Amino acid sequence: SAVISQKPSRDICQRGTSLTIQCQVDSQVTMMFWYRQQPGQSLTLIATANQGSEATYESGFVIDKFPISRPNLTFSTLTVSNMSPEDSSIYLCSVLLGTDSYSYEQYFGPGTRLTVT
Amino acid sequence: GESVGLHLPTLSVQEGDNSIINCAYSNSASDYFIWYKQESGKGPQFIIDIRSNMDKRQGQRVTVLLNKTVKHLSLQIAATQPGDSAVYFCAEKASNDYKLSFGAGTTVTVRA
Repeated sequence: SAVISQKPSRDICQRGTSLTIQCQVDSQVTMMFWYRQQPGQSLTLIATANQGSEATYESGFVIDKFPISRPNLTFSTLTVSNMSPEDSSIYLCSVLLGTDSYSYEQYFGPGTRLTVT
Repeated sequence: GESVGLHLPTLSVQEGDNSIINCAYSNSASDYFIWYKQESGKGPQFIIDIRSNMDKRQGQRVTVLLNKTVKHLSLQIAATQPGDSAVYFCAEKASNDYKLSFGAGTTVTVRA
């Protein structure tokens, strides 16, 4: 298993500013993900962050808006840039241990609840 | 694109009764399915999984049923307890991908 922590747990930010969310894992993992969960909605994948390579973004998400760093195998950051109220969401870090259906284990952090005013 | 969805957004159940949460999926290439539980203020937690070569799997108080013919997945919770109140998501993974696709979620409320 994996234990994931995120900082901050919640924040209230003004529009036009940026917030960097940190994700720390208690073991080395290759694959990390960032998800967005808008109020009352399901999880939407923002990007996959692998150490040593550029993050891979899903359709509708761009690096200028959501830059990601992955400096090592236990840490990643997601920045929400030039925020607007539409960015108010829970942002979740996730890690994947094993990728095929016989070893698949995906764990989630507690989330960062962001409110943009 | 193909996606996973849930039939009902909310479910109210009496404490001690059994709960059944349904999920429809449309990707015939999916080979792995997971149920997650998300309590208020927390991230999703793994409940149980099932591979496409199975039609039933049981855990502690939970059972997942998979009907590949009609692309339907269900989660049964036996003797529902107040601690079972949460949002439940099904998720699926295609055989040629590592990413999960999540359904809309069902909010389960347990009445005392």
